[in-house]
Amino acid sequence: GAGVSQSPSNKVTEKGKDVELRCDPISGHTALYWYRQSLGQGLEFLIYFQGNSAPDKSGLPSDRFSAERTGGSVSTLTIQRTQQEDSAVYLCASSLVFGQFFGPGTRLTVL
Amino acid sequence: AQRVTQPEKLLSVFKGAPVELKCNYSYSGSPELFWYVQYSRQRLQLLLRHISRESIKGFTADLNKGETSFHLKKPFAQEEDSAMYYCALRAAGVAGNMLTFGGGTRLMVKP
Repeated sequence: GAGVSQSPSNKVTEKGKDVELRCDPISGHTALYWYRQSLGQGLEFLIYFQGNSAPDKSGLPSDRFSAERTGGSVSTLTIQRTQQEDSAVYLCASSLVFGQFFGPGTRLTVL
Repeated sequence: AQRVTQPEKLLSVFKGAPVELKCNYSYSGSPELFWYVQYSRQRLQLLLRHISRESIKGFTADLNKGETSFHLKKPFAQEEDSAMYYCALRAAGVAGNMLTFGGGTRLMVKP
């Protein structure tokens, strides 16, 4: 079946603009995660959704970052007033029981 | 809080040589450990997890709770093993089992 998909694959924006990144998880997966992969920083957890429960936002680096998940499926990560330090690859993963399956990522470049 | 450390950013070996990618962790509870691999221009994918005690693509990893380590080993490296390798820890009950990643080790296998 189809894996996790993300769009766009690449996004170039200007400092101060808002961006939206989309994630389509594997059908039936109840858990959805967002991570950020920065150059030289490894992967850091951002936010987690489980079913209809309130998301765990403990990893979001600032209040410019937000995410929502509609209908327990598609998720959108929004970054407002982007800064150059937001440049990174944003990864989405979904999971049913264990073993998170990752999407290809969205490479965000803030000029 | 949990932490995963991969002390080597780059590991370079010749084809046919043994490989050991180091991973150490700190976590007060009972962790679940994973190795993820990212080949060039491909998405992050699960390589193996300690619970299954399996060998994937010739790689094995044993959880050593005394040394808090989960080193990845392969007796004879192949050129196609060249990739980024991430060790990850899942702490049950924390942020819905989100993964804490190490900084990654780039493995280069030379012909």
